[in-house]
Amino acid sequence: GDSVTQMEGPVTLSEEAFLTINCTYTATGYPSLFWYVQYPGEGLQLLLKATKADDKGSNKGFEATYRKETTSFHLEKGSVQVSDSAVYFCALSDAGNMLTFGGGTRLMVKP
Amino acid sequence: DVKVTQSSRYLVKRTGEKVFLECVQDMDHENMFWYRQDPGLGLRLIYFSYDVKMKEKGDIPEGYSVSREKKERFSLILESASTNQTSMYLCASSDVLSGPNEKLFFGSGTQLSVL
Repeated sequence: GDSVTQMEGPVTLSEEAFLTINCTYTATGYPSLFWYVQYPGEGLQLLLKATKADDKGSNKGFEATYRKETTSFHLEKGSVQVSDSAVYFCALSDAGNMLTFGGGTRLMVKP
Repeated sequence: DVKVTQSSRYLVKRTGEKVFLECVQDMDHENMFWYRQDPGLGLRLIYFSYDVKMKEKGDIPEGYSVSREKKERFSLILESASTNQTSMYLCASSDVLSGPNEKLFFGSGTQLSVL
């Protein structure tokens, strides 16, 4: 079945550091890929998405590129802020099926 | 803004109790979902509903049931709570026009502890 694997956290960075959170997936078809973010005390929010190979999703300075050859969708940001501290979830949707989420990666950004 | 409201932020119940978790959305969304969130396991789908009085099992429905009597309200029921149901429960909704799996709007969650 479909699955999503994320790097385990927590990831701790200093403000203005470069962020990468790895995400790889297994799917039988050609899934759409998503990153959701959960800020403390809040529900998840869609951060960005990509629907086909080589697409790049971007939002709020975050980017992720759909790499079919490596089945990956790594999240990157060039300069993180304290306000980016949250839990990040990678997810996929394959052939109209329900979303499959990864385990989540907690990011902590220190001033 | 879309608002998905879960009735309780924290809930403490005893083993064997019947537990109701309520969720209301104000955007006239057709699709509603219940997930549980556990550390390292991500979100797992319990039940979902595409319409009033309609329900479908997700990946982990055992020990749970749901009710959708009105379009805006989706209730999760634990018939006889057990300690392994201690978890964060998240409700979500989505618009059928954007695809049921495309953009979900989540509530802020209910942390349930079963003692």
